[in-house]
Amino acid sequence: NAGVMQNPRHLVRRRGQEARLRCSPMKGHSHVYWYRQLPEEGLKFMVYLQKENIIDESGMPKERFSAEFPKEGPSILRIQQVVRGDSAAYFCASSPNFGANTEAFFGQGTRLTVV
Amino acid sequence: GQQVMQIPQYQHVQEGEDFTTYCNSSTTLSNIQWYKQRPGGHPVFLIQLVKSGEVKKQKRLTFQFGEAKKNSSLHITATQTTDVGTYFCAGPGGDKLIFGTGTRLQVFP
Repeated sequence: NAGVMQNPRHLVRRRGQEARLRCSPMKGHSHVYWYRQLPEEGLKFMVYLQKENIIDESGMPKERFSAEFPKEGPSILRIQQVVRGDSAAYFCASSPNFGANTEAFFGQGTRLTVV
Repeated sequence: GQQVMQIPQYQHVQEGEDFTTYCNSSTTLSNIQWYKQRPGGHPVFLIQLVKSGEVKKQKRLTFQFGEAKKNSSLHITATQTTDVGTYFCAGPGGDKLIFGTGTRLQVFP
């Protein structure tokens, strides 16, 4: 049973470009969470999605950031017009159940560097 | 909003010494989870505690959930170099997990 798959593992973008980060949850999991981790810091919640629905996006910056989890295919975190401050590790986690009462399975993350 | 703090932020120990990290929530938690993140790696689930005053052990690791369900601790006995990493507690904040600030453990041989 494959774990949570994220790609790419490393992504370099110039300021002003777009970054697309992909996450395929574990088989049988329909709940996806995105977290951002700045260097030497903790995990900051960004968004919680179910298939075709955004459940909680309270941690998403109001501009330039968007997320989706279509009926078919991976969840996508999209960052438009990237700036240097967007450089971070972005982790996706999945769980089989609604809410935060069960273990979250994390992917290996995408390390975004904006130059 | 809900906050989950951990102390200390960093801990350097000699191999063989014990290590403890403390987790405090601003609100009562239905459960507390602990994760370990190795340098350059991703968070990996260690354990979940649910009951008030619960204590669980995993080999050299002892996890405790406070009576008031607002704090927790992780104690490692006789640390090894393989224990190096950042330890995070996490608790439910509505429909999502709120992670603590983390404690980075460095073990010197």
